[in-house]
Amino acid sequence: DAGITQSPRYKITETGRQVTLMCHQTWSHSYMFWYRQDLGHGLRLIYYSAAADITDKGEVPDGYVVSRSKTENFPLTLESATRSQTSVYFCASSEVGVSTDTQYFGPGTRLTVL
Amino acid sequence: DAKTTQPPSMDCAEGRAANLPCNHSTISGNEYVYWYRQIHSQGPQYIIHGLKNNETNEMASLIITEDRKSSTLILPHATLRDTAVYYCIVSGGKLIFGQGTELSVKP
Repeated sequence: DAGITQSPRYKITETGRQVTLMCHQTWSHSYMFWYRQDLGHGLRLIYYSAAADITDKGEVPDGYVVSRSKTENFPLTLESATRSQTSVYFCASSEVGVSTDTQYFGPGTRLTVL
Repeated sequence: DAKTTQPPSMDCAEGRAANLPCNHSTISGNEYVYWYRQIHSQGPQYIIHGLKNNETNEMASLIITEDRKSSTLILPHATLRDTAVYYCIVSGGKLIFGQGTELSVKP
């Protein structure tokens, strides 16, 4: 199916474990983004990528690692999960740029770190 | 460093127009006004954006004042499925989501 998908949709893990959240888009959009959403903070940008092998930090990158070996995939890894990383994570993509373009969001991954 | 101000909540009767206001008095000349919405437990959804002219698409209309210091998103015939949080975003760098307006469409 065309669009942007995220997996898993729900994940429970323990403190200190490594977790990878997957994001896949079928539009061949150049830009991809990772956000987290917490009560009281709205959506905050974690990392973004302008193209394959090009990534950059957003507002809250600490504790996260990203990679973009293929245009369509943009995985987000928590190398050693902490309770403060319990959140809902959204992936998005856009055709042109970070500032003046329309972003299309995935359905989200709800992550709980115990 | 919020660039926009929106009322925290609004109600609208089903079938009536929903008019959601947004103040962005510090907007710069090259910044666009974007509107997104987020239905409960879903990812944000793009609605519309504009620079200075009014815009309309199949979902909504965007009215931007001449001085660009405020705008209004209009949902012409609100339905129960339009119940969501609506975000007004001034974009000249990255999309920064504030708290938005929680719109409740009631039967």
